[in-house]
Amino acid sequence: GAVVSQHPSRVICKSGTSVKIECRSLDFQATTMFWYRQFPKKSLMLMATSNEGSKATYEQGVEKDKFLINHASLTLSTLTVTSAHPEDSSFYICSAYSTGSLDGYTFGSGTRLTVV
Amino acid sequence: AQSVTQPDIHITVSEGASLELRCNYSYGATPYLFWYVQSPGQGLQLLLKYFSGDTLVQGIKGFEAEFKRSQSSFNLRKPSVHWSDAAEYFCAVGAGFGNEKLTFGTGTRLTIIP
Repeated sequence: GAVVSQHPSRVICKSGTSVKIECRSLDFQATTMFWYRQFPKKSLMLMATSNEGSKATYEQGVEKDKFLINHASLTLSTLTVTSAHPEDSSFYICSAYSTGSLDGYTFGSGTRLTVV
Repeated sequence: AQSVTQPDIHITVSEGASLELRCNYSYGATPYLFWYVQSPGQGLQLLLKYFSGDTLVQGIKGFEAEFKRSQSSFNLRKPSVHWSDAAEYFCAVGAGFGNEKLTFGTGTRLTIIP
């Protein structure tokens, strides 16, 4: 089945630094990837929709200059949290849609970001 | 705008007992409905989905869900829960197209007691 690999699974960074999270579709081409943020004991909130070769579409209230999304190839999308602050600490999950997968949407295993 | 309501934040069930998790949706067209399970610190695993056809959908791990258009519901059921079913469960709705987002409910945390 379709597999989405997300790295790193955990990252701790200092306030003010930037962190990059990668999301790769391993066995299919993902023209669209989705980035979600999940607060503790909360639901998944869509941050942005990433389209290969074009600019990402951000949800209302999400700072596009802070959360940089790049989808340079059909198998890789990255989320860079720039000038991270403690309030950016969260669980970030990517998802990709595969027309060849019975599941439709496949999710990465998530990245726990802690900003200290 | 599409939305999903999971009215139960937390449910506690005895091992071996039956389970029903509720999900109500609001969507302007024919919805594509999903149930996902999430263990702590992990991503989401698809339990089952409804696109069309038979309104009773069978999924993995012995779960099933029934789509009721008249009630805008897609409740998840399991006849006998196991301790390993303890997790967070999310209902989601979408258009079913690759570039369309999923909208998630707030989740229901399931606790299993011996």
